[in-house]
Amino acid sequence: GEDVEQSLFLSVREGDSSVINCTYTDSSSTYLYWYKQEPGAGLQLLTYIFSNMDMKQDQRLTVLLNKKDKHLSLRIADTQTGDSAIYFCAEKMDSSYKLIFGSGTRLLVRP
Amino acid sequence: DGGITQSPKYLFRKEGQNVTLSCEQNLNHDAMYWYRQDPGQGLRLIYYSQIVNDFQKGDIAEGYSVSREKKESFPLTVTSAQKNPTAFYLCASGDFGNTIYFGEGSWLTVV
Repeated sequence: GEDVEQSLFLSVREGDSSVINCTYTDSSSTYLYWYKQEPGAGLQLLTYIFSNMDMKQDQRLTVLLNKKDKHLSLRIADTQTGDSAIYFCAEKMDSSYKLIFGSGTRLLVRP
Repeated sequence: DGGITQSPKYLFRKEGQNVTLSCEQNLNHDAMYWYRQDPGQGLRLIYYSQIVNDFQKGDIAEGYSVSREKKESFPLTVTSAQKNPTAFYLCASGDFGNTIYFGEGSWLTVV
């Protein structure tokens, strides 16, 4: 079945690294996404990775995929107060248009 | 500018009324989606469309209706049959390249 799970809350100090985790259940070829949502706004696509990749890096963002454990993580280096938001993990099977979301992780960055 | 436009940003509905939320995209995307987000929760799929004149029910389609007469437009009607419509509604669009983008959302409140 389709299910995406995330921890609900993460608090870090400004300048530290943040790691947000996600697990998914579908074993098909799939795309995995990270979105950021600020209060009252839509979702901003941060990055995505295909399930045949292990890692993807984009400036301060690093995505790691462990296919064996169906575990996805988003690392934000040098976390800033502007990174405070809700981060959503999402999964989409290659053969489908349907996007399945986790419940979101609220990241709080303390000065 | 290219992107996804949702309107109105805020909408109030009286009991028993139908209301329609607009979603327009100029990204030439084939797929379009409607999601509902309740406070402090993740996103739930209402309807999605892969091509003009075709759409599929998502996980919570009851009380909602959609149409896809044009590639760039995917309006959502919240009918009086939807008993708890107060929520944040998000429209998205995507292409075969698997990038999926969101609009800024519409707040619907029942008064």
